[in-house]
Amino acid sequence: QSALTQPPSASGSPGQSVTISCTGTSSDVGAYNYVSWYQQHPGKAPKLMIYEVTKRPSGVPDRFSGSKSGNTASLTVSGLQAEDEADYYCSSYAGGTNVFGTGTKVTVL
Amino acid sequence: EVQLVESGGGLVQPGGSLRLSCAASGFTFSSTWMHWVRQAPGKGLVWVSHIKGDGSNTQYADSVKGRFTISRDNAKNTLYLQMNSLRAEDMAVYYCARAGVVGGFDYWGQGTLVIVSS
Repeated sequence: QSALTQPPSASGSPGQSVTISCTGTSSDVGAYNYVSWYQQHPGKAPKLMIYEVTKRPSGVPDRFSGSKSGNTASLTVSGLQAEDEADYYCSSYAGGTNVFGTGTKVTVL
Repeated sequence: EVQLVESGGGLVQPGGSLRLSCAASGFTFSSTWMHWVRQAPGKGLVWVSHIKGDGSNTQYADSVKGRFTISRDNAKNTLYLQMNSLRAEDMAVYYCARAGVVGGFDYWGQGTLVIVSS
């Protein structure tokens, strides 16, 4: 049950794109198409942004998109806005359990 | 409207016990897998445990196995986490989360803080 690996930080100017990686193993990210992404603002509960690798819940802007290749999943935020500044976590089903990523702080410059 | 409201957090001494509750509303609770996720101060999210809608299937993170017990009362639409033999490293905000999408958590409570300290 080791945490998935994410870069500690990422940044971009308003209007630019930022991509966050999430690296796991063949037992979690690589084994299932059940990767999800969460946005968390300080002092708030996490919010689901992407599920099943690429699907967006109702109400999440289409600026947020997900993908996966092998043992690595990615979240791309296009057209960065000030309100996108937050911590982002990936998560994967791991065959009976779930595992989260280490988290990435996204800064909008 | 889906709502999840945790309670039961507080200050407990190392080795002590605490029971967290999560009151659910706005959806068919008995049909839904539920999870507990925790977040130590300034740290990332960590999955703790989950339970199937009818309570027949439970799983735990290795770090809490044998010390924590997840349960639910579908008549009361409430999820529980019994935490025994608490350690300093268990100190965290504990969130309950609904598994409304496959492999993911679509609704979260506001969290309840557990402080383990003498």
